[in-house]
Amino acid sequence: SQTIHQWPATLVQPVGSPLSLECTVEGTSNPNLYWYRQAAGRGLQLLFYSVGIGQISSEVPQNLSASRPQDRQFILSSKKLLLSDSGFYLCAWSDGQGGLYGYTFGSGTRLTVV
Amino acid sequence: DQQVKQNSPSLSVQEGRISILNCDYTNSMFDYFLWYKKYPAEGPTFLISISSIKDKNEDGRFTVFLNKSAKHLSLHIVPSQPGDSAVYFCAASASGTYKYIFGTGTRLKVLA
Repeated sequence: SQTIHQWPATLVQPVGSPLSLECTVEGTSNPNLYWYRQAAGRGLQLLFYSVGIGQISSEVPQNLSASRPQDRQFILSSKKLLLSDSGFYLCAWSDGQGGLYGYTFGSGTRLTVV
Repeated sequence: DQQVKQNSPSLSVQEGRISILNCDYTNSMFDYFLWYKKYPAEGPTFLISISSIKDKNEDGRFTVFLNKSAKHLSLHIVPSQPGDSAVYFCAASASGTYKYIFGTGTRLKVLA
């Protein structure tokens, strides 16, 4: 069966520090991968998605970047964190265009920038 | 520009009664709609979905209704149980776009 792993679960980082969040999927190949952020009052905002190795689509201009160095690995990064980067970050995967089955989400990372 | 809107941030319902969560969308190209349930500090979990060729889909206590002309969908939970207390997100997708757009969520509290 397919599983998605996301870590760390919580992270407290000072303003201006770098960030690296990692997500891996097991039990499938060539998944579509996604990074979402849940901020207070903003729902789930799509940040990046990838339909293949090295293919990254950015949804909103921001202080973050994403990379997909391997088929089932998706990384969210920042060179210098801002206070506004605080939030709950979710990785997700799907095996196609989503359709009626949507995504499977990871357990999330709570990022607090201080 | 919020393409998917959940105008009720919270809802309280008595155990055993019906919970109705609403969602509106603006993009007529959306043809797949999902509902997710989310507990604090966890990832959302898939609940139920519907495609634009249908106006109703049922799964146990959960039913989703789609009104395409009004660009409106709703989730009915009956009977509501305390374990249903969570944040519910609706999401919409257009074929070929690879992505879902989520609403802002509605926090449901079922009172025992």
